[in-house]
Amino acid sequence: EPEVTQTPSHQVTQMGQEVILRCVPISNHLYFYWYRQILGQKVEFLVSFYNNEISEKSEIFDDQFSVERPDGSNFTLKIRSTKLEDSAMYFCASSPPGTLGNTIYFGEGSWLTVV
Amino acid sequence: RKEVEQDPGPFNVPEGATVAFNCTYSNSASQSFFWYRQDCRKEPKLLMSVYSSGNEDGRFTAQLNRASQYISLLIRDSKLSDSATYLCVVFYNNNDMRFGAGTRLTVKP
Repeated sequence: EPEVTQTPSHQVTQMGQEVILRCVPISNHLYFYWYRQILGQKVEFLVSFYNNEISEKSEIFDDQFSVERPDGSNFTLKIRSTKLEDSAMYFCASSPPGTLGNTIYFGEGSWLTVV
Repeated sequence: RKEVEQDPGPFNVPEGATVAFNCTYSNSASQSFFWYRQDCRKEPKLLMSVYSSGNEDGRFTAQLNRASQYISLLIRDSKLSDSATYLCVVFYNNNDMRFGAGTRLTVKP
């Protein structure tokens, strides 16, 4: 069964450093997403991406965050200067073409720890 | 403001019990609705979509009441393996899906 894959599974970084989280969505999917989940809290929407541009972003997704689809297969989330409060599990997700509201499929997540 | 509200629980039930979870959403323009299941430190996984007519998948039944902006999930004959957090998910425009905080279920022998 095709799946969304994410790397790294866990990253520890120092405050102020840049971090890039990588994702390979399911190959025929056209919509891509990043979510985050702080330990013990709910899953929070960050951004959605379609047709090589951001289609929606939340208030969390400020200028410190950016997304890119550099080569037609990878979908990356960059955090420019990490803060302690960026420590969370970051989930990439994708959904297939078709009507809005299609099921989205999540990767296993990248656990980011900022120290 | 987009909000999805769930009773956080926890719900602790014996095997074989029937348990129901509720969810309300604030944006009447919401388009699609889902229940996801999340095990500890794992990714959310789709349990079922929720339709206005109600839908059933084995022991699981989901209902949607658009007038009341209310979604429910009923689990019959609970199994130990049903222990997880159940997430109510509401889909808005532009591929924006919002999650409730989840309801924690523990099924005990």
